[in-house]
Amino acid sequence: EAGVTQSPTHLIKTRGQQATLRCSPISGHTSVYWYQQALGLGLQFLLWYDEGEERNRGNFPPRFSGRQFPNYSSELNVNALELEDSALYLCASSLADYVNTGELFFGEGSRLTVL
Amino acid sequence: AQKVTQAQTEISVVEKEDVTLDCVYETRDTTYYLFWYKQPPSGELVFLIRRNSFDEQNEISGRYSWNFQKSTSSFNFTITASQVVDSAVYFCALGGSGNTGKLIFGQGTTLQVKP
Repeated sequence: EAGVTQSPTHLIKTRGQQATLRCSPISGHTSVYWYQQALGLGLQFLLWYDEGEERNRGNFPPRFSGRQFPNYSSELNVNALELEDSALYLCASSLADYVNTGELFFGEGSRLTVL
Repeated sequence: AQKVTQAQTEISVVEKEDVTLDCVYETRDTTYYLFWYKQPPSGELVFLIRRNSFDEQNEISGRYSWNFQKSTSSFNFTITASQVVDSAVYFCALGGSGNTGKLIFGQGTTLQVKP
């Protein structure tokens, strides 16, 4: 069974541009989570989507946005890129409620570099 | 506020040594969930264990064991007879009782096991 897949693996952009990252969850998982892992800042919760709806977002500016498609895959968009957006963006998936199911499955991440 | 502290930034041991990774958490929730994840160089986080706050029973899984102590708000992870393949970054994480989809991660401990 395929795990969580993310694309692209690496992405290089310049300041002010937009970046789009994609995530395909494990088959049967309806929840998708996005985390940012920036150097020195650790893993920070970005967004949670479930059944096509945004359920919660972390303390990030509105230029971080995303969506979840009917097939439960998800897209993270970062507008007006800034240098500090350079990070590894990790996507995770779970059955509807990780609190009850107990586990998040992570992808290998998309490394975004902003020059 | 919720917080996870992993005071050990880096640990280096020689193969076959035992090693304990410390995790201290803060939360006001009466029900919460604690996790350990392993991040190998490939980037994806690999789930190791989840512990519910109402279950203080310690757990052993092969060479891995976890010591959960509510009295000291700690959830320490011990690897017995470490191996080179254990080299990775290990994260402790906290999830609250509310269905927020959010995990609070510690800063991680980099474990290097030398042959």
